Amino acid sequence: QQPVQSPQAVILREGEDAVINCSSSKALYSVHWYRQKHGEAPVFLMILLKGGEQKGHDKISASFNEKKQQSSLYLTASQLSYSGTYFCGTESNFGNEKLTFGTGTRLTIIP
Amino acid sequence: NAGVMQNPRHLVRRRGQEARLRCSPMKGHSHVYWYRQLPEEGLKFMVYLQKENIIDESGMPKERFSAEFPKEGPSILRIQQVVRGDSAAYFCASSPGTEQYFGPGTRLTVT
Repeated sequence: QQPVQSPQAVILREGEDAVINCSSSKALYSVHWYRQKHGEAPVFLMILLKGGEQKGHDKISASFNEKKQQSSLYLTASQLSYSGTYFCGTESNFGNEKLTFGTGTRLTIIP
Repeated sequence: NAGVMQNPRHLVRRRGQEARLRCSPMKGHSHVYWYRQLPEEGLKFMVYLQKENIIDESGMPKERFSAEFPKEGPSILRIQQVVRGDSAAYFCASSPGTEQYFGPGTRLTVT
């Protein structure tokens, strides 16, 4: 079953913060986050493994609550380059598995 | 280290023809995944292969679709007797074992 992402779309001004949520009905082993710009390939952002860790680099971070089967992506002080559609991809079993992608969140950053 | 390569980038086929999509994984990656994406939708898993083996083909239609990843050469996704509904972007991703890195995709149009 496909993970549900919220919000479906959001428009922000440059410099504002955003949170994107990914919720699954199945127990998860890992959550992968990607950003895809129109007509391009998804770009890997980060992976969070079972254990409830939080990860981040630059102004993008994420958390994973395995008990709630949820992950959140945090974008701080957004830049124009952050625009795109964000997808979470989930794995239910130990590694080397197919990813089940979420419904997507379209983020638009305006100057 | 070159990224994941896919060719052709665009492919136009008439109904009933065959489509062959190629994917060369990143150097050192032995896992290849194929996904399909319809316009404005998320990615849907099709098949997961390792060298010479199909590990999971649960997302691939039983009829007309096949995939291989030979010992030498790229992974091939083959669609026989294409129909209009096969029009989509087909992405492959390669993995060293955890995170997946996507190629630029092949946009298939069936006329």
